Amino acid sequence: DTAVSQTPKYLVTQMGNDKSIKCEQNLGHDTMYWYKQDSKKFLKIMFSYNNKELIINETVPNRFSPKSPDKAHLNLHINSLELGDSAVYFCASSQGMGGGALYFGPGTRLTVT
Amino acid sequence: RKEVEQDPGPFNVPEGATVAFNCTYSNSASQSFFWYRQDCRKEPKLLMSVYSSGNEDGRFTAQLNRASQYISLLIRDSKLSDSATYLCVVNHGGRGSTLGRLYFGRGTQLTVWP
Repeated sequence: DTAVSQTPKYLVTQMGNDKSIKCEQNLGHDTMYWYKQDSKKFLKIMFSYNNKELIINETVPNRFSPKSPDKAHLNLHINSLELGDSAVYFCASSQGMGGGALYFGPGTRLTVT
Repeated sequence: RKEVEQDPGPFNVPEGATVAFNCTYSNSASQSFFWYRQDCRKEPKLLMSVYSSGNEDGRFTAQLNRASQYISLLIRDSKLSDSATYLCVVNHGGRGSTLGRLYFGRGTQLTVWP
């Protein structure tokens, strides 16, 4: 049973394209996140949603737009992809926002050429 | 100054060795502390929470020193399967913009050799 799943696992695309990554969790958690891990392995939060409400919106380009249709799903749409967007994007979930542990999805390895 | 700082290593140790990782955090109001493990090309996974009184889980012992804003992880009797990157993670707790924010260190790479 996959707790947090993401699709696709790999994404190779050209600059300027628009792409989406989907995330689903079956843990019954009420908070979901998008993290970006760059080539230096540094994990940084991008967004978090609690019960479909945007809570954290880090300083990311507005080409990145998250959408949470329900509390079990959090998708990430990226417009006009740039070379610097190449990274691994991890979805995660937690119960509450008060500091509980995160459960990560397997990651989406995005390569922009 | 980064929120969470770790010695990146790498640490290369033989099987059976004891190895310790350290981590410091900048926000004295931080409330929750964790160690995560990340295998190569995989997602981070929770290894253990860190409690104020220190805690142990099998071969792993975590310590927290709030006065020094310092967290440690000790691994005894290292196994080949312990080879991974260990991430120190801190949650500021609080309200507003800091609520729910986990800050990750860059990770310490460990390789256990036979």
